[in-house]
Formats: sequence, C-alpha cells, structure tokens
Amino acid sequence: EVQLVESGGDLVNPGGSLRLSCAASGFTFSRAWMTWVRQAPGKGLEWVGRIKSNKDGGTTEYTAPVKGRFTISRDDSKTTLNLQMNSLTTEDTAVYYCATDWGRGFWSGSNAFNLWGQGTIVTVSS
Amino acid sequence: DIVMTQSPDSLAVSLGERATVNCKSSQSVLSISNNKNYLAWYQQKPGQPPKLLIYWASTREPGVPDRFSGSGSGTDFTLTISSLQAEDVAVYYCQQSYTTPFTFGPGTRVDIK
Repeated sequence: EVQLVESGGDLVNPGGSLRLSCAASGFTFSRAWMTWVRQAPGKGLEWVGRIKSNKDGGTTEYTAPVKGRFTISRDDSKTTLNLQMNSLTTEDTAVYYCATDWGRGFWSGSNAFNLWGQGTIVTVSS
Repeated sequence: DIVMTQSPDSLAVSLGERATVNCKSSQSVLSISNNKNYLAWYQQKPGQPPKLLIYWASTREPGVPDRFSGSGSGTDFTLTISSLQAEDVAVYYCQQSYTTPFTFGPGTRVDIK
C-alpha cells in the first residue's frame, strides 16, 4: 500500500526550530520528487517546496516566505523526507503535508499530487 | 509567481443538480511541448488531506466518480459536478503545476441547498 506518514509537529516558540519527517512506503521513493504543502488554520493550501530525486540532481525549490529559513532534504536509504524549519514565526502555524505524484506506485507525469499524508500540526506561539 | 483565482467563493446546490466552479490563472499553464494544461483540481473535506480529482485539466484520477469533470485551456478552467451528492460537500481547490511555486487557488466551498 502506498503511504506517507508525517511526524514531528509540535508547539514551538517564535524564533525556534523544528524538524518534520515524512515516512514513505509502497513506491520507489528514490525516484519520486517530493513536496511539502501547508495549510494555516481555516485557510487554503500553500505549496512550501519540493526536492527532486537524486537521479535528477536532488535540487530543492521553495516558496518565497520560507526561503532561507526552511530546508528540505531526503534520505533514500530510509525512504524519508525531511523539513527543517528555522526562525519560525506565528505565520508558519499550519498543518504540514507531504505529497507526491507517485500515488499509483509510478510517476504520473502530471506534477499533480495523488498521494498525501495525513499531516502534522505545527503551532508557533509563545 | 502564477496567481490562481477561483469563483465563486462558495455555492449551494440542490441534491442532484449541477455545481460549477471556475478557476483562472494569471498566465497560461499550457505546455507547448506536450499540449497539456498543468491544472489540477482537489477536493478537501474537514480534517482530511486534499484528494486529487482531476489533472491535466480534464483527466479524471482513477477511482473518481464520473460526475466530476474538468474543462478549459490556457488560463480559464472549470470543474463541474454533474449531479451533486451529499458526500460532495467540501472545499475545492485548483492548482497549477506548470511552474514552481505550484500555486493553489483560494478554494470554493460547495454545500447542499
């Protein structure tokens, strides 16, 4: 069964750091381009960033509000995606989802996310 | 960045009636290389992650009921639910996956009248 399971969400003080993880199973993780999407309470969806497969260079891209503060990485040996978040502000409070277009066990070619995790909650507050 | 807009913000439709959600992108999401529109539609119910309904503007994801359909090209797109069912109450988002950041529309809430 294809699956993504996020973990690491917590309550953190403004200015603090947090590391989220996403455990993948059921598909060839090493070939998948992986993405983080977040959703602030009562708000819409925001694409946070993505990491390409190492075969495709392993490069990362980020949305402007998190650039320089967030870092996406991957460990193909553990089929795990990570999101290191530094200098957190209240604006980063959200449910964080990992997602991919490998939900059918192969690349869909569409860049549309057919597999999502259940999300992990990050609350930034003093 | 490509800006996505949706209309209406919300709508209420009677059971069995048609629901239509519109999405507009600030620039074309049509790829000249493969003639595909990189536009997806998602359904999100409370407390759940989004679910992919439509990709490439009009291709239904396997397992999605055929009452859901997508149309449009370039910058203007539509999601149609041909006969609204109670389980379709949700927020619907469009997303462009043509160029990063892969921006989402603000969402349209669909309810039963």
